[in-house]
Amino acid sequence: GDSVTQMEGPVTLSEEAFLTINCTYTATGYPSLFWYVQYPGEGLQLLLKATKADDKGSNKGFEATYRKETTSFHLEKGSVQVSDSAVYFCALSDRGNTPLVFGKGTRLSVIA
Amino acid sequence: EAQVTQNPRYLITVTGKKLTVTCSQNMNHEYMSWYRQDPGLGLRQIYYSMNVEVTDKGDVPEGYKVSRKEKRNFPLILESPSPNQTSLYFCASSLSRGGNQPQHFGDGTRLSIL
Repeated sequence: GDSVTQMEGPVTLSEEAFLTINCTYTATGYPSLFWYVQYPGEGLQLLLKATKADDKGSNKGFEATYRKETTSFHLEKGSVQVSDSAVYFCALSDRGNTPLVFGKGTRLSVIA
Repeated sequence: EAQVTQNPRYLITVTGKKLTVTCSQNMNHEYMSWYRQDPGLGLRQIYYSMNVEVTDKGDVPEGYKVSRKEKRNFPLILESPSPNQTSLYFCASSLSRGGNQPQHFGDGTRLSIL
């Protein structure tokens, strides 16, 4: 079945550091790919998405590019802030009537 | 404001005492679902509903019930809670189940079953 694998955390960075959180997927079709973010005490919220190969999703300085050849959707940000501290989930949804499949989440802590 | 509202946010209770966690969305979404989040396991789907009166099991349905009598509401029922159901629960909704529809999540309900 479909699956998502994320790098394990926690990830601790200093403010203004470069962030990469790796995500790879396995899917039988051509899925849509998502990154969700969960701030402390809150539910998940959509950060960005990409629906086809080579699409780049971006939001709040975060970017991820849908790479079909490497089945990857790595999350990047050039300069993290303390307010980016959260848990980040990679997810996919295959075409048709299938539910979201989530990775296990990566906790990011940014220190000043 | 578009939102998914869960209640209660926190609950401590005892084994065997029936409880209900309510979930309501104001976006006229057809698809609603419940997840539990546990350390090291990520999010796992408990039940989902494609529309009113249509519900189905997710990955971990044992010990839970749901109902969908109205489009906006999707309560999660624990008839006889047990300690292994201690977890953080999220309700979510979206326009439809698959494709590129993002899900909207509630803020979570932390359940502790003693």
